[in-house]
Amino acid sequence: EIQLQQSGPELVKPGASVKVSCKASGYSFTDYNMYWVKQSHGKSLEWIGYIDPYNGGTSYNQKFKGKATLTVDKSSSTAFMHLNSLTSEDSAVYYCAREGVLRSFDYWGQGTTLTVSS
Amino acid sequence: DIVLTQSPASLAVSLGQRATISCKASQSVDYDGDSYMNWYQQKPGQPPKLLIYAASNLESGIPARFSGSGSGTDFTLNIHPVEEEDAATYYCQQSNEDPPTFGGGTKLEIK
Repeated sequence: EIQLQQSGPELVKPGASVKVSCKASGYSFTDYNMYWVKQSHGKSLEWIGYIDPYNGGTSYNQKFKGKATLTVDKSSSTAFMHLNSLTSEDSAVYYCAREGVLRSFDYWGQGTTLTVSS
Repeated sequence: DIVLTQSPASLAVSLGQRATISCKASQSVDYDGDSYMNWYQQKPGQPPKLLIYAASNLESGIPARFSGSGSGTDFTLNIHPVEEEDAATYYCQQSNEDPPTFGGGTKLEIK
């Protein structure tokens, strides 16, 4: 069974940074790109970027360049998203999602809720 | 960026009837014979679930009452007959051009 297991909710102060993890299981981790998506409360979805776990190559939404950094640890089949200089605008649910056929997102993590508050 | 406009923003459909959701793209999402348009269902507190990929292909495990159609800039998701469990928000998403973008969502209520 294919699963993407994300790290738990985070409460952080403005100006701090956070690292969210996404552990993949049930498939060959390096064969599929991993995407990250932001969903602000009650709103639609925004693509942050993706990483190719095979070679670490990345592509980012221009809006999130400088805000998000994507990495992977192949040995543990885990993808990471680091978010820096956090503000209240970064409070949201963040999802990892595997790239499927024709760049659809066929499997999703359960989501990680980030709250930025003093 | 390609803008996806979904309509309606919300709709209420009686049990067993048809729900139709439209998604219009600001430019074509077709490439090399394929339409790079996908549809997702999201229920509260859950991640989105892929229903339809490449405009009209049913994802494995998704009931056949869901169907997708369209090409170029105009796409449609149909659900017939609607069941209670279909109450959710539905999103279209284009993957033809970076950044991948999503529509604003359509909230489906079952009467």
